[in-house]
Order: sequence, then structure tokens, then C-alpha cells
Amino acid sequence: ELKVEQNPLFLSMQEGKNYTIYCNYSTTSDRLYWYRQDPGKSLESLFVLLSNGAVKQEGRLMASLDTKARLSTLHITAAVHDLSATYFCAVGSNSGYALNFGKGTSLLVTP
Amino acid sequence: DVKVTQSSRYLVKRTGEKVFLECVQDMDHENMFWYRQDPGLGLRLIYFSYDVKMKEKGDIPEGYSVSREKKERFSLILESASTNQTSMYLCASSSPHARAGYTFGSGTRLTVV
Repeated sequence: ELKVEQNPLFLSMQEGKNYTIYCNYSTTSDRLYWYRQDPGKSLESLFVLLSNGAVKQEGRLMASLDTKARLSTLHITAAVHDLSATYFCAVGSNSGYALNFGKGTSLLVTP
Repeated sequence: DVKVTQSSRYLVKRTGEKVFLECVQDMDHENMFWYRQDPGLGLRLIYFSYDVKMKEKGDIPEGYSVSREKKERFSLILESASTNQTSMYLCASSSPHARAGYTFGSGTRLTVV
């Protein structure tokens, strides 16, 4: 069974600081996804990572994938309040259709 | 703009009622999924479908069934609603093998009283 673990689950950080969210998964996969969820809203796709060494950047967020270590990171640079949300990573099984989600990281950026 | 549409944003039902949650996508996607989201538990897969009239159980199918009579529509059915089925229900769709990931609907917050 594919397990996906995110840490930390809760993160409070000051504006302007940098931080990294980690996503570990338990079995081989070559596709990993990051989603953002605002309170009361659905999930919005942020990044699609489909190969070892893939790196994607959008604004203050950068995601990377190391398939050998079974690890993805979501790095936040110079955080701003608008980044406050819950971030989920999801991993695709090589044998199935469905994605397995981590429990999410609830990020709060404070002044 | 591609969309996954869930018919209700908020729903309140009584214990024992039969509840239908509807999801429609306009992307001609083969795969459709139903998840429930609960605080501290993340997203848990209830059922998914990879083709019309095909369905597969996810991690927590008990108390639920699904129907997919047309490619664009995937319905989640709570046969006899119970209070422990109070949750946010998320529908998603994807192309085969989901290389591009999912597109999610806006969610239905169901309260069973």
C-alpha cells in the first residue's frame, strides 16, 4: 500500500521567512503532485512532477522531486500572507489510477 | 474553462435518508473519483471509476455506492445516511493514468443530523 507522509502538518511562519515542506512516500512512483486548498474551498493544482530531478517554480513556491529518495519538497521563499493555505502532496501509484494524498500541511503566514 | 461541477455546495440530510451527490465533468475524462475530507485525516478515496459502468472500491467504501451511466457523470450514493458520514465530499476527474493529476470539483459539505 502506498503511504504518503507530509511534515510538518502545521506551520506558522513570519512574512519574509523561508521554509520547506516535505513529502515522503513509501513505494516507487514517478509522478507527484502538489495542491493548494484555501479554507472552505476545493483543491487547486500547483505543480505536476513527472520525473526524477524535476523542479517547478511558480512565484515564491518551488517544488522538486527525488524519486530515488522517494521525497518531494515544497520550498517557500520570502513568505507572504497570501500563501496561507493547506498544501497537499499526492502520489500516483505505478499500478493504479488513483492518487494517494498526504494529510496536508496547514500553513499560516503572520506579519 | 474546464470544469468539474458538483451539484450542491451544502447539504443537510436526516439520518437514514438516501442521499445522492452528483458530479459532472466536461473534459471527456475517463477517470472519476470520490473522496471525503475530514480534519486530521486528509483525503480518503471512497470509490473511483475508470470507464462508464465500471467502478472500483477505494479505501473506505462502506456505506457508499456509486453510479456511472454516462462518461461525464459520476454519482455517489449514501444508502442510509449516518451522522459519521458528515464530511466534505470532493469529486475529481482525470485523463487515463492521471499524468496531469486531478481536476477537483468545488466540494459538497454534507451534514447528517
